Amino acid sequence: AQSVSQHNHHVILSEAASLELGCNYSYGGTVNLFWYVQYPGQHLQLLLKYFSGDPLVKGIKGFEAEFIKSKFSFNLRKPSVQWSDTAEYFCAVTPRGYGQNFVFGPGTRLSVLP
Amino acid sequence: GAVVSQHPSRVICKSGTSVKIECRSLDFQATTMFWYRQFPKKSLMLMATSNEGSKATYEQGVEKDKFLINHASLTLSTLTVTSAHPEDSSFYICSAILAVGTGELFFGEGSRLTVL
Repeated sequence: AQSVSQHNHHVILSEAASLELGCNYSYGGTVNLFWYVQYPGQHLQLLLKYFSGDPLVKGIKGFEAEFIKSKFSFNLRKPSVQWSDTAEYFCAVTPRGYGQNFVFGPGTRLSVLP
Repeated sequence: GAVVSQHPSRVICKSGTSVKIECRSLDFQATTMFWYRQFPKKSLMLMATSNEGSKATYEQGVEKDKFLINHASLTLSTLTVTSAHPEDSSFYICSAILAVGTGELFFGEGSRLTVL
């Protein structure tokens, strides 16, 4: 069975600090990878996704993620966080060709201090 | 982008009553919708996959008689929590995937259910 792990439960940063949130998955086949964000009081929305091609993908609001196949990882990065990035971040995986079977990680709460 | 809307956003009910939550795709047709439950400080747990015109597919451990799902049209799926108990209190989220699209899930705003 597939599973997704996220390295940190809660990350606290000051504004302008760099961010890296870890995500690892377990699945033997080819996958599509996603990062979703849930801002306080809002619904989940897509930050970025990887299907194929360049393993470094760029998303909205300055976020990017790198897919490292050999490490089964899809870490999320942002060079300089803002207070408005405070949110819950979820990594998700779905097997390629079975696009409906999403598996979510437990989430990482990011708190950015002004 | 595709918009998914849930209603109500918050509902409080007495133990033993039933509650219906609606999930609508506002600007696209969704042949498949998904219902998730989100526990505090935990991830989203897939409860069931709702297919238009057919019975929902429930995940292991989810009581199909307690969580009734109806997907009567291409834009509406409903989740009814029957004979609700305090342990059913949770945040329920629906999502949909475009039949021909980018392969991403679009989420509703979620519905906070509190059972007294």
